[in-house]
Amino acid sequence: KAGVTQTPRYLIKTRGQQVTLSCSPISGHRSVSWYQQTPGQGLQFLFEYFSETQRNKGNFPGRFSGRQFSNSRSEMNVSTLELGDSALYLCASSLAGTTNEKLFFGSGTQLSVL
Amino acid sequence: QKEVEQNSGPLSVPEGAIASLNCTYSDRGSQSFFWYRQYSGKSPELIMFIYSNGDKEDGRFTAQLNKASQYVSLLIRDSQPSDSATYLCAVRNTGGFKTIFGAGTRLFVKA
Repeated sequence: KAGVTQTPRYLIKTRGQQVTLSCSPISGHRSVSWYQQTPGQGLQFLFEYFSETQRNKGNFPGRFSGRQFSNSRSEMNVSTLELGDSALYLCASSLAGTTNEKLFFGSGTQLSVL
Repeated sequence: QKEVEQNSGPLSVPEGAIASLNCTYSDRGSQSFFWYRQYSGKSPELIMFIYSNGDKEDGRFTAQLNKASQYVSLLIRDSQPSDSATYLCAVRNTGGFKTIFGAGTRLFVKA
């Protein structure tokens, strides 16, 4: 059974540009969560999607957005990139995102903003 | 106050010793508690989960939960150099549709 797939693995962008990251969850998983990981802040929750609906959002500016498609694949977009957006972006999937469910992480997308 | 707090470490223990990792959380409505292990350059992987007060054992790992004190811990018995990693405590509340992570504790097991 394939795991969570994130593409691309690495990205280099310059300030002001925008970027789109993709995540394909484990087959049958319908909940997708996104996290930003930096050395100083750890894993910060961005948002969670289930059945194409955003159910929760973390404390990030509106430049960070996401969506989920009918096949449960998800994308996140960051517009007007800033240097501070350089981070590892992790996607995690679970069956339905209920209370007791465990998260399964992808390998992440390492974003560098120059 | 952070929602999930962990000592960042590093925690250094000799091979064969017991490593004790601790975590506190602020939301009393939290229902599910997880420990993830993250090796350098890799993504987090689940190693333990606990939902009820008390202890839960799985091989060399024991998770402990005290909801009254809002405290979760992970014990690793017979620590091995391969256990050297960052351990992330994670908490999920009912209906919140989000899992909140602590900043992680770096563990070094010396051979």
